[in-house]
Amino acid sequence: SQQGEEDPQALSIQEGENATMNCSYKTSINNLQWYRQNSGRGLVHLILIRSNEREKHSGRLRVTLDTSKKSSSLLITASRAADTASYFCATDAWTGGFKTIFGAGTRLFVKA
Amino acid sequence: DTAVSQTPKYLVTQMGNDKSIKCEQNLGHDTMYWYKQDSKKFLKIMFSYNNKELIINETVPNRFSPKSPDKAHLNLHINSLELGDSAVYFCASSQQDRGDTEAFFGQGTRLTVV
Repeated sequence: SQQGEEDPQALSIQEGENATMNCSYKTSINNLQWYRQNSGRGLVHLILIRSNEREKHSGRLRVTLDTSKKSSSLLITASRAADTASYFCATDAWTGGFKTIFGAGTRLFVKA
Repeated sequence: DTAVSQTPKYLVTQMGNDKSIKCEQNLGHDTMYWYKQDSKKFLKIMFSYNNKELIINETVPNRFSPKSPDKAHLNLHINSLELGDSAVYFCASSQQDRGDTEAFFGQGTRLTVV
């Protein structure tokens, strides 16, 4: 099964509310990344957190990493309608070359 | 300037045809990738190239043949297209073949096989 699995699969909130998305993974990692995908577009990198970090901030984004539970969360504060997108976590794996393994994503819908 | 560009954006073709998708990056990156995103938005790596050399081939049918004429280009050729090949294909690049580097994605090519 997939290395990274996001939860929930879909999330609908009102503008101004906070949105929390979770990601679980199975094997040890060096890094975990979060990406965003607007409908019909490519993925855009949001933030990277290393395995020795517990929390990282970038603007309205807050990412946590718990390596003991093999999980990460992405919090978007004060959400906006423009935050409507799919959010993917991605972990690194080595198979003769590094590859980034993506989860199935959380579809976030922010209602204005 | 578009960092990672792929063409065409849409491709509709009949079963059995052969088609190619082109990808170019102007970021000076060493590593390029092809990903397939299915109808459930599940994104799976297909190939990874580092400095024109194949690094990862994820058990993709040999009907799929990537070609990297130089490190700025990674094209994907697909022979004998099947219905199950319908998906969105993304090209991406990163500075190095390392797990801690950000990947830059193209806009995707929506392939529909009829």
